[in-house]
Amino acid sequence: DVKVTQSSRYLVKRTGEKVFLECVQDMDHENMFWYRQDPGLGLRLIYFSYDVKMKEKGDIPEGYSVSREKKERFSLILESASTNQTSMYLCASNHPGGSSYEQYFGPGTRLTVT
Amino acid sequence: QKEVEQNSGPLSVPEGAIASLNCTYSDRGSQSFFWYRQYSGKSPELIMFIYSNGDKEDGRFTAQLNKASQYVSLLIRDSQPSDSATYLCAVSGTYKYIFGTGTRLKVLA
Repeated sequence: DVKVTQSSRYLVKRTGEKVFLECVQDMDHENMFWYRQDPGLGLRLIYFSYDVKMKEKGDIPEGYSVSREKKERFSLILESASTNQTSMYLCASNHPGGSSYEQYFGPGTRLTVT
Repeated sequence: QKEVEQNSGPLSVPEGAIASLNCTYSDRGSQSFFWYRQYSGKSPELIMFIYSNGDKEDGRFTAQLNKASQYVSLLIRDSQPSDSATYLCAVSGTYKYIFGTGTRLKVLA
């Protein structure tokens, strides 16, 4: 069974703090993704990675960075958290071979920035 | 123009009825199409995927794809209250997936 885990289910941070969200998958997937989900806006891609140390910007990368030092781990970094980054953050991974394969999602991290 | 469009709903159907969920997409080069179910406060889980024109059935679920019309749908037969959730349509190209905003389905007991 594929398992994608995220470091926290709920997180409350203050404006200006540096925030780290961690994601780990156990299926040797090469592709990993970070999304945020907001009511009425759906899932929006922040960054994705198709290999260790490789990263590509998604649709809304501003204010975020990522790190992929190991194949199983993909971290999302909010350099200086702002209130408009309050959201549900979802990590996903999928099988090598591109997007023809389903994405497996982690449980999500609900981040509140005050 | 949104790349993947879904009616936000809610779509209300009585228990035992057929629920029909629809999705249109703008990129003719899209190769793969997915339906995810998302319960409130949970992450999306895959229900169906379809690559070729036509119908694909899995239990109570049928996915339908019409690439010429850029249209994909999900039919849920014998709807149950446990099917009440938001259904996300996703369309993929090379690496990226584009998700619709989802349709909220309510199955009334």
